[in-house]
Amino acid sequence: DGGITQSPKYLFRKEGQNVTLSCEQNLNHDAMYWYRQDPGQGLRLIYYSQIVNDFQKGDIAEGYSVSREKKESFPLTVTSAQKNPTAFYLCASTPAPGETQHFGDGTRLSIL
Amino acid sequence: SQQGEEDPQALSIQEGENATMNCSYKTSINNLQWYRQNSGRGLVHLILIRSNEREKHSGRLRVTLDTSKKSSSLLITASRAADTASYFCADHNAGNMLTFGGGTRLMVKP
Repeated sequence: DGGITQSPKYLFRKEGQNVTLSCEQNLNHDAMYWYRQDPGQGLRLIYYSQIVNDFQKGDIAEGYSVSREKKESFPLTVTSAQKNPTAFYLCASTPAPGETQHFGDGTRLSIL
Repeated sequence: SQQGEEDPQALSIQEGENATMNCSYKTSINNLQWYRQNSGRGLVHLILIRSNEREKHSGRLRVTLDTSKKSSSLLITASRAADTASYFCADHNAGNMLTFGGGTRLMVKP
């Protein structure tokens, strides 16, 4: 079955540590996105990539980094510069910007 | 930047009743999309309505779009306990991104 896989489901970060969230899709979609969701809130765009080897900052990119070396993969690194990383992180993909987005089941990141 | 605003923020109804959620946006759009999110899960796409459409149906769901008022509504008819979830609108605007609203948390009591 085609879909988006995010891992791990739960992640804990120590002070000063970088952590990487995985997002893999087998939908052959060109565009991929990372969102942050705080409790009871909507989604805020962190980074997006419309094509391999290219990505753009979203509304809240500070303290985060991404790479897009393969079409299927769009990992997100939460760096130590992100002082308030506790949130639910969602990855999505779409065949073209503005069309329906397909979401993974998220990674919940907490601080130790 | 958050553009869409949803109303109400929370809604509690009895099974069998209809649920209406509203969404407003600020700039012109190409399309508006509605998604559902069960607790602790990702979002699932429900309906996409384009800017030249006024109404769209899918099963028990009906979405309307009023571009003159920059608003949309999602109606769920004959609600079921399984409809309990958060519902989000997202507008596709000139920036070619989806901008999500804050969501409506729907609880359907059996």
